[in-house]
Amino acid sequence: SQQGEEDPQALSIQEGENATMNCSYKTSINNLQWYRQNSGRGLVHLILIRSNEREKHSGRLRVTLDTSKKSSSLLITASRAADTASYFCATGGTNTPLVFGKGTRLSVIA
Amino acid sequence: GAGVSQSPRYKVAKRGQDVALRCDPISGHVSLFWYQQALGQGPEFLTYFQNEAQLDKSGLPSDRFFAERPEGSVSTLKIQRTQQEDSAVYLCASSWGLADYEQYFGPGTRLTVT
Repeated sequence: SQQGEEDPQALSIQEGENATMNCSYKTSINNLQWYRQNSGRGLVHLILIRSNEREKHSGRLRVTLDTSKKSSSLLITASRAADTASYFCATGGTNTPLVFGKGTRLSVIA
Repeated sequence: GAGVSQSPRYKVAKRGQDVALRCDPISGHVSLFWYQQALGQGPEFLTYFQNEAQLDKSGLPSDRFFAERPEGSVSTLKIQRTQQEDSAVYLCASSWGLADYEQYFGPGTRLTVT
């Protein structure tokens, strides 16, 4: 079963625009992670945000976490064609394995 | 060093055949995870090792699925008497811990059961 649910399922934007993806989850968490998956490849870790954090930045990525709403968002600024991929959120509890959502498919058009 | 490697990258099996999928984790990582990913879906947890101990196998879909990591390094996922519904990408990941650490994924093995 998958706890996280990303929204939208698919997103298509022009190069240079910002892309925002959202993730909602159901149970309490210890941390939330975002991963990227290029077509036909394994997942690459992007960022981890702990339950006591509200916002985190890494390069062009900005992640927010609202534990009261059980939701997170991933913002990619100034998108590039190379950002085209599927993006997954994964929630981690205490002594429980990561649970992944179904992902958002992002297409960045040059 | 090298990242997580998996072999084979592609496997075609006839229904009823047994298959073995291999994962070489990053050296020193104590945790190793197996996931199953269906087309258009996110990875679904199968099982987890800490060193050689299999601490959680709650995600294994049936008793036809078996995983081992005898020396706490390389792991093998074995599927006996494969069925068409076993067709998926099988991902392996390694990490320093359970869910508090980022996981490093291999490229996956795409299994097709005909």
